[in-house]
Amino acid sequence: DAKTTQPTSMDCAEGRAANLPCNHSTISGNEYVYWYRQIHSQGPQYIIHGLKNNETNEMASLIITEDRKSSTLILPHATLRDTAVYYCIVTGNQFYFGTGTSLTVIP
Amino acid sequence: NAGVTQTPKFRVLKTGQSMTLLCAQDMNHEYMYWYRQDPGMGLRLIHYSVGEGTTAKGEVPDGYNVSRLKKQNFLLGLESAAPSQTSVYFCASSYRTGSYQPQHFGDGTRLSIL
Repeated sequence: DAKTTQPTSMDCAEGRAANLPCNHSTISGNEYVYWYRQIHSQGPQYIIHGLKNNETNEMASLIITEDRKSSTLILPHATLRDTAVYYCIVTGNQFYFGTGTSLTVIP
Repeated sequence: NAGVTQTPKFRVLKTGQSMTLLCAQDMNHEYMYWYRQDPGMGLRLIHYSVGEGTTAKGEVPDGYNVSRLKKQNFLLGLESAAPSQTSVYFCASSYRTGSYQPQHFGDGTRLSIL
């Protein structure tokens, strides 16, 4: 399974878009990109996933580059409740969680 | 629906004691997983199961055993607890593994071993 690289931490102003990058340069053709988040010490929460095309749901948008070597999770209007650790995972059969990006939404 | 339920939520053990963590899911998922999360780190896969009666090793299986006697339940056992096993344990389930099936997580079991 491909490994991912994410910034350790990011800040975002409340109401602004939060753009969280992820590098997965060794991704293979059949591997999906998943995003999860973990608020405080709760269980990880699924956000979104995609293969090649950009995806959008009620929580976020996922932008995957054409070469699939990187992606960006976009939270369009960040709120204080979006403060969490965000994990980018590229997987075929098993999920490998790195240390993620700690996003702090600032009032 | 309760989703994924883990019991107990907290437990303190002494070194050498044994215990079993229970994970139950009501979504009729085929696949179930056990992870551990240490402070400041991401989740690491301990064991997983692709169906009733089957189990497989993950990234960090040593010191743990698992059983999947019923589809809805996945048990994680510590035969002789060690301080290094102090961690938060998360269970997850999915319809099938990997590529296009997200995993659903429980709220964790916080285990301290003295």
